[in-house]
Amino acid sequence: DIQMTQSPSSLSASVGDRVTITCRASQSISSYLNWYQQKPGKAPKLLIYAASSLQSGVPSRFSGSGSGTDFTLTISSLQPEDFATYYCQQSYSTLAITFGQGTRLEIK
Amino acid sequence: EVQLVESGGGLVQPGGSLRLSCAASGFTFSSYWMHWVRQAPGKGLVWVSRINSDGSSTSYADSVKGRFTISRDNAKNTLYLQMNSLRAEDTAVYYCARDRRLTGGNWFDPWGQGTLVTVSS
Repeated sequence: DIQMTQSPSSLSASVGDRVTITCRASQSISSYLNWYQQKPGKAPKLLIYAASSLQSGVPSRFSGSGSGTDFTLTISSLQPEDFATYYCQQSYSTLAITFGQGTRLEIK
Repeated sequence: EVQLVESGGGLVQPGGSLRLSCAASGFTFSSYWMHWVRQAPGKGLVWVSRINSDGSSTSYADSVKGRFTISRDNAKNTLYLQMNSLRAEDTAVYYCARDRRLTGGNWFDPWGQGTLVTVSS
């Protein structure tokens, strides 16, 4: 299976900060990379699909980039509602979809 | 409004069985692949299984292969997960999710609210 590794595993930041989360795949996955946000007790929510496409309704402060093995999720200016856990997910291997371990974004 | 609502979770003994359901509304259910994803308490997301739009093709994570069966009833707009020979490590919140796909891969949107399965004696 393709392994997805996120860094950092946790992150403390302040409202207004620019934050970047990285996701690395164990082999090239082209642009088959998606990002989700999950708040405590809630279902995950799609933010970014195909590495860089913003899901409808998601604020433009969220952006994604990368291809091959290295990807990033950037939040340009953190808002209070952005404190959550973020997961990357590869869909290159359709018979074995895998997620990163998650990055917990906390208030400093 | 596109909506997915899971049900059927609960407490079950090791070795027991449980069937989860996911009721879909607000979209043409029969046109979409569907997935189950689980999350153990305090842990990350793990893909479990997927089924194509007419139910003719399925796939499973190695950890559940041979024990879990995904199915669907397009007339009832409902997705199922039959779970047999349950183990303690199957304890998790189980989410159903709709598959969206374009050139560039596939992704999950939306997700249901989840149903908790607890395997314990």
